[in-house]
Amino acid sequence: DAKTTQPNSMESNEEEPVHLPCNHSTISGTDYIHWYRQLPSQGPEYVIHGLTSNVNNRMASLAIAEDRKSSTLILHRATLRDAAVYYCILRAPPGSARQLTFGSGTQLTVLP
Amino acid sequence: EAGVTQFPSHSVIEKGQTVTLRCDPISGHDNLYWYRRVMGKEIKFLLHFVKESKQDESGMPNNRFLAERTGGTYSTLKVQPAELEDSGVYFCASSQPTWTGSYEQYFGPGTRLTVT
Repeated sequence: DAKTTQPNSMESNEEEPVHLPCNHSTISGTDYIHWYRQLPSQGPEYVIHGLTSNVNNRMASLAIAEDRKSSTLILHRATLRDAAVYYCILRAPPGSARQLTFGSGTQLTVLP
Repeated sequence: EAGVTQFPSHSVIEKGQTVTLRCDPISGHDNLYWYRRVMGKEIKFLLHFVKESKQDESGMPNNRFLAERTGGTYSTLKVQPAELEDSGVYFCASSQPTWTGSYEQYFGPGTRLTVT
C-alpha cells in the first residue's frame, strides 16, 4: 500500500476551522483517500473519503490536490469533541474489502 | 442499529494463560476484521473474515493466535498462551458485503488486554 505522511500533532482553537494535511506522493490512480479518526478510548471511526474531486459531508470536507499527491481534511468549526487522532489512509476502490493500513496519524488538540 | 460490540472491555491475565476476545459485528456485515495496537505502536491489521471464511490472515503474529467466526456471525480471537508482548488494545471492525460498493469499516470500542 502507498504510504501517507501526516504531521504528528496540531492545535486548534474551538469554533475555528482546522486544516489537517496529508501527503501521499506515491498514490496510485485507483487509490481512494480515506480519513478516519479515533476519539479517546474509542475505536476508529470513518470521517470521509474521496478520489479526485473535493467532498463534503456532515462531519468534514476533503480537499484533494489536482495531482492527488496531497489532500487536506477540513473541519469547519472545531469543537472539543473533535479532539482525536486523525488518520489519512489510501485504499483500493469502494467495495474492496481490504484492510485499513493505519499510520501514526495527527493528534488534534482543540483548545477552549 | 447496534454498533460493533466487543467483550470484554478489559482483560488482565498472567503470562502463559489463555484469553478469548469476542466481537459481535453489525448485523448483515459479511466482512469482519481484527486489528490491534500494542503499546506505542500503530494500529495493525490481524485478519479478515468474509462470512465464516478467513480471507486474509497475513497479519496474525504467530500461531498463539487463533481466530474463528462460526456461522459467519460473531468472532472470537483466542491467545494461547499469552505473552507480555501481546498486551495492547484489540479492535474489531465490520463492513457491508462488497457487492454493496460500501467503503466504511465500523469499529468496536476495543478490548484492552494486559498480560502481566
